Amino acid sequence: QITLKESGPPLVKPTQTLTLTCTFSGFSLSTSGVGVGWIRQPPGKALEWLALIYWTDDKRYSPSLKSRLTITKDTSKNQVVLTMTNMDPVDTATYYCAQTGVVTGDAFDIWGQGTMVIVSS
Amino acid sequence: SHELTQPPSVSVSPGQTARITCSGDALANQYAYWYQQKPGQAPVLLIYKDGERPSEIPDRFSGSSSGTTVTLTISGVQAEDEADYYCQSGDNSGTFGDVFGGGTKLTVL
Repeated sequence: QITLKESGPPLVKPTQTLTLTCTFSGFSLSTSGVGVGWIRQPPGKALEWLALIYWTDDKRYSPSLKSRLTITKDTSKNQVVLTMTNMDPVDTATYYCAQTGVVTGDAFDIWGQGTMVIVSS
Repeated sequence: SHELTQPPSVSVSPGQTARITCSGDALANQYAYWYQQKPGQAPVLLIYKDGERPSEIPDRFSGSSSGTTVTLTISGVQAEDEADYYCQSGDNSGTFGDVFGGGTKLTVL
């Protein structure tokens, strides 16, 4: 059974750096074709694609947030970490991590439950 | 930048067919994916690679593609299908990541 779980601070101050960790089980990020990505959703708004890291360590970023995002993986720990710099209240959202599978291409076929992050002083 | 456009809302009576469209220039060359999201829950993958369906998804959900528009079709709509639906696709450069459409709220009358 594949599971993913997001963890990180529920509250950050403006200008601070957010660090989120996705801890997963049931698959390995060293398996060909597998990836883990991050998606966020502000309250009452649409999903926003943020970043994706592949088993090869190839990375993709949202062009509008690329300068603020870094995604890394620790295959031995089954973790993917997303950092976002210079946080602003508009970054308040539920942040999800999700797996992209071998068969489904770049679709997110398994999602974590999400973690809510509030940006406020 | 790559954008995907969905209608904000679609309404349909139970038993009827709902069609939700997603438009974007890159869809002519990129696969599309569809998700269903119910309130307070994480999204669920419905369709991948334009028209493929995960085994656990009911066959009343189907996807199709024509040019720069992809369509999610829900046949025999049920009350439980009331949810937000999102499309996702990549851009043609292969450099940047994917985007989601703005989402469509499906209301079952």
